[in-house]
Amino acid sequence: EDQVTQSPEALRLQEGESSSLNCSYTVSGLRGLFWYRQDPGKGPEFLFTLYSAGEEKEKERLKATLTKKESFLHITAPKPEDSATYLCAVQAGESGGGADGLTFGKGTHLIIQP
Amino acid sequence: NAGVTQTPKFQVLKTGQSMTLQCAQDMNHEYMSWYRQDPGMGLRLIHYSVGAGITDQGEVPNGYNVSRSTTEDFPLRLLSAAPSQTSVYFCASSWGYEQYFGPGTRLTVT
Repeated sequence: EDQVTQSPEALRLQEGESSSLNCSYTVSGLRGLFWYRQDPGKGPEFLFTLYSAGEEKEKERLKATLTKKESFLHITAPKPEDSATYLCAVQAGESGGGADGLTFGKGTHLIIQP
Repeated sequence: NAGVTQTPKFQVLKTGQSMTLQCAQDMNHEYMSWYRQDPGMGLRLIHYSVGAGITDQGEVPNGYNVSRSTTEDFPLRLLSAAPSQTSVYFCASSWGYEQYFGPGTRLTVT
């Protein structure tokens, strides 16, 4: 069974204090790993897709990396507006796309204090 | 583009009532799906569709029906609401693997 575990469950940082969120996964035949941001009362917003170990993607203060067992979302010099829940998901199997074979983690609730 | 839209935003039902949650997308995406999100449980897949006329069950399909008569619309029907169906429901669409989510419907069943 595919599993996705995110840690920590919650993280409180001071503005400017860099840190990393972890997403460890167990899946047969990884097709892609995805990061999403979810603000309170809203739907998840797509951030990154990573396809193979060693791949990195960046967007503003966020950088996502991937190994064969886990992914990290590094946040550099965060600002209060980066406060959100960050979700990780993996896609496995032979599906052509969509939700088939997609497994979400429970998320990391990130709070950035001014 | 409006993206993925969901109606209603909030709904309160009594046990045993039925209703339909609406979902529409204007991005011509092939794939659409319904999730529920509960505290401590994460996002769980209810039903999904890989194209008009084709639907399949996800992780938690019991008590829900779907149909996909057009590319744009993917309604979710609650047949006989139960308190266990109190949740936030999200619809999503995609062309490939990257899901685009709607704003959600918060449903309370009393």
